[in-house]
Amino acid sequence: EADIYQTPRYLVIGTGKKITLECSQTMGHDKMYWYQQDPGMELHLIHYSYGVNSTEKGDLSSESTVSRIRTEHFPLTLESARPSHTSQYLCASRQGAEAFFGQGTRLTVV
Amino acid sequence: RKEVEQDPGPFNVPEGATVAFNCTYSNSASQSFFWYRQDCRKEPKLLMSVYSSGNEDGRFTAQLNRASQYISLLIRDSKLSDSATYLCVVNPSNTGKLIFGQGTTLQVKP
Repeated sequence: EADIYQTPRYLVIGTGKKITLECSQTMGHDKMYWYQQDPGMELHLIHYSYGVNSTEKGDLSSESTVSRIRTEHFPLTLESARPSHTSQYLCASRQGAEAFFGQGTRLTVV
Repeated sequence: RKEVEQDPGPFNVPEGATVAFNCTYSNSASQSFFWYRQDCRKEPKLLMSVYSSGNEDGRFTAQLNRASQYISLLIRDSKLSDSATYLCVVNPSNTGKLIFGQGTTLQVKP
């Protein structure tokens, strides 16, 4: 069983609010990722990190930001939520071949 | 052009059938390839890595054709429990990124 956790699992929030989605892993993995996935659609890479103090933007333009101050923690922040941010956000970590995913945060912005 | 392309399906097959999925990738320098499985409303999980010489894991066989830049997954003797979306995943050269295809949906019928 993978030791990677996302909180909250579900979030409904009003437009304009600032939110932070949490992701933590206890496996000591260097590489971590954030993906966005709409129902029935593909995963889009929005941010990734090679290790502490290393973050890169992914292929999907995103208004979110990330930080990697500690190996185990990779939070994603939306400064001002909009309805277009409604989606599922999946965090993953990897060391070697296999990536392990958290259970996701389903975000709804109203 | 997408970096990783798959036929979304759905593929509807009877139990016991053999089914094959293909995936093409655009970056000829890509180094690592994987098949992930995603069940409805669940996170993706690694099914198998894909090696240059081809590899088999029980009823599943993965092949890589670097010259044509495609990867395949063959499932023999399909089970009802094989019903899921199969995601082709590529690690582009010199990056830590994992790029996902949109997935191919398989429905195995009794």
